[in-house]
Amino acid sequence: AQSVTQPDIHITVSEGASLELRCNYSYGATPYLFWYVQSPGQGLQLLLKYFSGDTLVQGIKGFEAEFKRSQSSFNLRKPSVHWSDAAEYFCAVVLMDSSYKLIFGSGTRLLVRP
Amino acid sequence: DVKVTQSSRYLVKRTGEKVFLECVQDMDHENMFWYRQDPGLGLRLIYFSYDVKMKEKGDIPEGYSVSREKKERFSLILESASTNQTSMYLCASRYSNEQYFGPGTRLTVT
Repeated sequence: AQSVTQPDIHITVSEGASLELRCNYSYGATPYLFWYVQSPGQGLQLLLKYFSGDTLVQGIKGFEAEFKRSQSSFNLRKPSVHWSDAAEYFCAVVLMDSSYKLIFGSGTRLLVRP
Repeated sequence: DVKVTQSSRYLVKRTGEKVFLECVQDMDHENMFWYRQDPGLGLRLIYFSYDVKMKEKGDIPEGYSVSREKKERFSLILESASTNQTSMYLCASRYSNEQYFGPGTRLTVT
């Protein structure tokens, strides 16, 4: 069955430090992958997506993610974290059947130390 | 810009009440979705619709129903609210391979 795993429930980094959030997926075909961010009390905002082509994708707010088929991973990175990046981050894969439903990971909450 | 709106940001209901959560999108999208978000569980699909009057169960449909009478509107119905339905509810609509989310409704059932 298709699934998405985010092994880190919480991550704390200092402002200005680099960040990597992990995401592993289980999917039979070529996955379409997404990272969303949710600030407190808000809906989900799309950070970036991978459909095909270059395995390093750039997103908004200075985020990037790398698709590694051999590791079934799609980790999110940012070279220098800002206090405003504190939020919850969700990795997701879309089912390419008639439903187009998203399968989400359980999320990683990012805390930023001043 | 795609706009997905939900009728309420916060809602408090009593056990046994019938609850309607409304979602409207302004981009003529065919597919719409209702997700439920709980800590540690991420988002789980309740129901989705791929056209007017067409609906399909998602992963956790028990205790919920939906209505789609017009293309732009997708309603989630809790026939008899229970405390275990206290949660954040997110609506989304789909264009191509991307889903656009509303701001969410935080429902508390007491």
